[in-house]
Amino acid sequence: RKEVEQDPGPFNVPEGATVAFNCTYSNSASQSFFWYRQDCRKEPKLLMSVYSSGNEDGRFTAQLNRASQYISLLIRDSKLSDSATYLCVVNPRSGYSTLTFGKGTMLLVSP
Amino acid sequence: DGGITQSPKYLFRKEGQNVTLSCEQNLNHDAMYWYRQDPGQGLRLIYYSQIVNDFQKGDIAEGYSVSREKKESFPLTVTSAQKNPTAFYLCASSMLGTSGSGPGELFFGEGSRLTVL
Repeated sequence: RKEVEQDPGPFNVPEGATVAFNCTYSNSASQSFFWYRQDCRKEPKLLMSVYSSGNEDGRFTAQLNRASQYISLLIRDSKLSDSATYLCVVNPRSGYSTLTFGKGTMLLVSP
Repeated sequence: DGGITQSPKYLFRKEGQNVTLSCEQNLNHDAMYWYRQDPGQGLRLIYYSQIVNDFQKGDIAEGYSVSREKKESFPLTVTSAQKNPTAFYLCASSMLGTSGSGPGELFFGEGSRLTVL
């Protein structure tokens, strides 16, 4: 099983739709979790951290399910500007000094 | 403005040549990283450094070399030993996390696109 797995998509949704992505991770000792956004041919940028209690930032909600070892990202009221690739990022073990990136899920929002 | 600067943005290289990619940060971050991204692939770690004059190999270090002589600088050399160097190279930096928590948020430069002719 790969350390971090994501459905590559693309997810094609109309403006205003709600869309959700999941990401599974293999190491149950993983400590911290993030969602990054990467626009085409650009660098990744932090979208939000994922806390055990869940995390909401405007239209975006991230949740962690430790029992099933996955994190999710929910986007409500999709905008054209949300079109991007969303990267799931995990710190795979306690004290480990680097992060593991998933391959990303592509989202395309159409008018 | 604080940030990470990578140069050059685009680079063409002939087979057999070494090239060096520059990465400079003024965020006062201790840790710096080099990643490689190929089309449709995730980021793969090449090298990282948590402190000046020390660095560690990542998952795909073969054919690459780095140095960390100053806190703000972490250049990457792609050597002729790297068999497939055409890729998008990303430099990042972060604060070191608190004990046991790993690194904090990664801040990325705009990347360098290397093409081998």
